[in-house]
Amino acid sequence: LAKTTQPISMDSYEGQEVNITCSHNNIATNDYITWYQQFPSQGPRFIIQGYKTKVTNEVASLFIPADRKSSTLSLPRVSLSDTAVYYCLVGDMIRGNAGNMLTFGGGTRLMVKP
Amino acid sequence: DGGITQSPKYLFRKEGQNVTLSCEQNLNHDAMYWYRQDPGQGLRLIYYSQIVNDFQKGDIAEGYSVSREKKESFPLTVTSAQKNPTAFYLCASSISSGRPGEQFFGPGTRLTVL
Repeated sequence: LAKTTQPISMDSYEGQEVNITCSHNNIATNDYITWYQQFPSQGPRFIIQGYKTKVTNEVASLFIPADRKSSTLSLPRVSLSDTAVYYCLVGDMIRGNAGNMLTFGGGTRLMVKP
Repeated sequence: DGGITQSPKYLFRKEGQNVTLSCEQNLNHDAMYWYRQDPGQGLRLIYYSQIVNDFQKGDIAEGYSVSREKKESFPLTVTSAQKNPTAFYLCASSISSGRPGEQFFGPGTRLTVL
């Protein structure tokens, strides 16, 4: 099973770009990388998903190097409301192997300061 | 509005009693999931269901039971066999677990066993 490693916590200031890196050294060929955001006492919210290179949407970018052993979630110009826990998930659900994709580690607690 | 509802938001029970948590979705999603989250921890998968009348155990299924008689409903019963049931319970759904799709989460139920 692909295991992920993320920093436990990070601090930033409003307006800065934040990059959170996730290590997944034993990622499998069919595995995708997905990031979720969670606020206290709420369910996680999907942010972005990718397989290789770079993916960008309206809230974030996901950078995945060629070896796919790590990935970086990039949040441009964070605000106080981006203070949350961010989870990196790696897994393959195409063949019905839901176990990997559904393992949320401890996540990274991002604190954005004014 | 489409989404996932969980009820109740807060639930108190005496030790030794079974309790059932409700989860309903009107997103027409095939797959549904139950997670448990303890304070300061990530989510752990309890059970998941890829299709009606079928479900699989997750990482911490002991002391829990589920049913999936209807596509839109996936109730979770916390039995007296669960040794430490006090936690935040989250239900989620996705279009299909056959591909790495986005999971949509409900607001959660906070269960406290007295």
